[in-house]
Amino acid sequence: AQTVTQSQPEMSVQEAETVTLSCTYDTSESDYYLFWYKQPPSRQMILVIRQEAYKQQNATENRFSVNFQKAAKSFSLKISDSQLGDAAMYFCAYRSTVSSGSARQLTFGSGTQLTVLP
Amino acid sequence: GAVVSQHPSWVICKSGTSVKIECRSLDFQATTMFWYRQFPKQSLMLMATSNEGSKATYEQGVEKDKFLINHASLTLSTLTVTSAHPEDSSFYICSERREEWDVISYNEQFFGPGTRLTVL
Repeated sequence: AQTVTQSQPEMSVQEAETVTLSCTYDTSESDYYLFWYKQPPSRQMILVIRQEAYKQQNATENRFSVNFQKAAKSFSLKISDSQLGDAAMYFCAYRSTVSSGSARQLTFGSGTQLTVLP
Repeated sequence: GAVVSQHPSWVICKSGTSVKIECRSLDFQATTMFWYRQFPKQSLMLMATSNEGSKATYEQGVEKDKFLINHASLTLSTLTVTSAHPEDSSFYICSERREEWDVISYNEQFFGPGTRLTVL
């Protein structure tokens, strides 16, 4: 079974600064998907960024980028020019490419609560 | 805009009563929906996978008779918490998974806004 670990329960960043959230995972599969989801105080889960394991290039979405290190099984999220609206709980998630059975589900990390300081 | 809706957004009920939560796919025929439970400041825990036209698949430790799931149509899945007790108070989230076969890598999963259940 796959596991996802987020070792930082809480992080804070000054507005306009850069912050990096850590995520490691364990899997025996060679191809899979990785995601970062954001859950603001409204509790609505929002997809921030996604990475396919077969792609060597790190995904980027505006101010959000990842550092995907497949050999190290590491998938960190970098938020540049942090804004007050970035304050949220961030979850790292893993999904197998197998499309049947329990592999169809997302496996979530425990989350990192990000505070943005004005 | 929202692609998954949940109703109600919050509900308070007395201990021993049953509560039904609806999850609707607004613009997609979802053959698979997931139901999660989330306690404050914790991660999402998968309760069950809802399959249209067949029985739901429950995760280990989730009581099938207590958390009844029905997925009678491609756009609606329901979770009924039967004989609710205070320990069932939680935030319940549904999610649908889309499988775009032409671009299979983009198996997007969309989440509903959640339902906060408080059992007195």
